[in-house]
Amino acid sequence: SQELEQSPQSLIVQEGKNLTINCTSSKTLYGLYWYKQKYGEGLIFLMMLQKGGEEKSHEKITAKLDEKKQQSSLHITASQPSHAGIYLCGINEKLTFGTGTRLTIIP
Amino acid sequence: DGGITQSPKYLFRKEGQNVTLSCEQNLNHDAMYWYRQDPGQGLRLIYYSQIVNDFQKGDIAEGYSVSREKKESFPLTVTSAQKNPTAFYLCASSAGRVNEQFFGPGTRLTVL
Repeated sequence: SQELEQSPQSLIVQEGKNLTINCTSSKTLYGLYWYKQKYGEGLIFLMMLQKGGEEKSHEKITAKLDEKKQQSSLHITASQPSHAGIYLCGINEKLTFGTGTRLTIIP
Repeated sequence: DGGITQSPKYLFRKEGQNVTLSCEQNLNHDAMYWYRQDPGQGLRLIYYSQIVNDFQKGDIAEGYSVSREKKESFPLTVTSAQKNPTAFYLCASSAGRVNEQFFGPGTRLTVL
């Protein structure tokens, strides 16, 4: 089975600062999804990466897929309170999700 | 508005009772899923269905049962055989297995 490990597990960042969340796979990554979850709610789809080296951006969030490192990263620029939540990576084809990274933004 | 709904939002049950969680979608999606989320853990797959009248066990199916009689509906029954049922349950749907999943708001089940 393929496992996804996210780091860090928890992150506290001052508003306006940049941050990076990593998702590392135990096997080759052919594609990856990123989701965001507000506490006690469902997941919201952020981005899908389908091939090695791919990079996508939406507003201040950028995701990259490094297939050689079996890793994906999610980078947030100039963080805002609205970015707070739990970020999860997932492989839809495998129906597998990472353990999540809890992001807190402080003033 | 198209979407996926779960009810109820909060559910309490006594130990030894079966309980059914509702999941409905009007997105015309073929695939539907049930996940369980515990504190500090990611989502774990309970059951999934890729088409009406067919479903497969996920990683933690023991103590749970599902049905898929209609495309729009995928109810989950938590039986008394589930040893630790207190958790947050999420339902999702997608056009196909490789497509992005759309999630419902979740049901928090507490066993008293």
